[in-house]
Amino acid sequence: EAQVTQNPRYLITVTGKKLTVTCSQNMNHEYMSWYRQDPGLGLRQIYYSMNVEVTDKGDVPEGYKVSRKEKRNFPLILESPSPNQTSLYFCASSLLGDEQFFGPGTRLTVL
Amino acid sequence: EDKVVQSPLSLVVHEGDTVTLNCSYEVTNFRSLLWYKQEKKAPTFLFMLTSSGIEKKSGRLSSILDKKELFSILNITATQTGDSAIYLCAVISNFGNEKLTFGTGTRLTIIP
Repeated sequence: EAQVTQNPRYLITVTGKKLTVTCSQNMNHEYMSWYRQDPGLGLRQIYYSMNVEVTDKGDVPEGYKVSRKEKRNFPLILESPSPNQTSLYFCASSLLGDEQFFGPGTRLTVL
Repeated sequence: EDKVVQSPLSLVVHEGDTVTLNCSYEVTNFRSLLWYKQEKKAPTFLFMLTSSGIEKKSGRLSSILDKKELFSILNITATQTGDSAIYLCAVISNFGNEKLTFGTGTRLTIIP
């Protein structure tokens, strides 16, 4: 089944404890992206990648890192999470020029 | 800065009614506009619109784009309770970076 998977789906952590949210797609998509969704602010792009080893900042990249070592995986890294990074995170992927497919979401709470 | 504005923010109607959701945008180098439906999970794709005046249709849902006036509408006819969701509009701008800029969404509630 063609899909985008994310893990974990739910995470509660404490300020400053490094964490990684994984994202994987099995559709051979070149493009992958991370968004966060907050009430009243909608979905905002954090980072995106046009292909392997190519990443760039979105609208809200501060406090996040990404890597794209393989085409299928695009992990999101929070080196030192803070409470303002409590949010619902979505990974998405697409062929260039096509609609983006979203993963199931990761609800992160930073205490 | 690219901007996408959706209206209304929230809409409550009775089952069977027809609704029209609006999306206006201001983006540099517009390429496409997309509609997504979000229930209690990830957004699911509805339509991608690239050309003005061409209606896209899927069952009771339809959408059209006006590139001159910079807006799109999403129509849902004969609404059902399963249509209750947040409807998101997004635009892709700038050939090359595929960046999606989202509106804040319209929360649609269908009362039985």
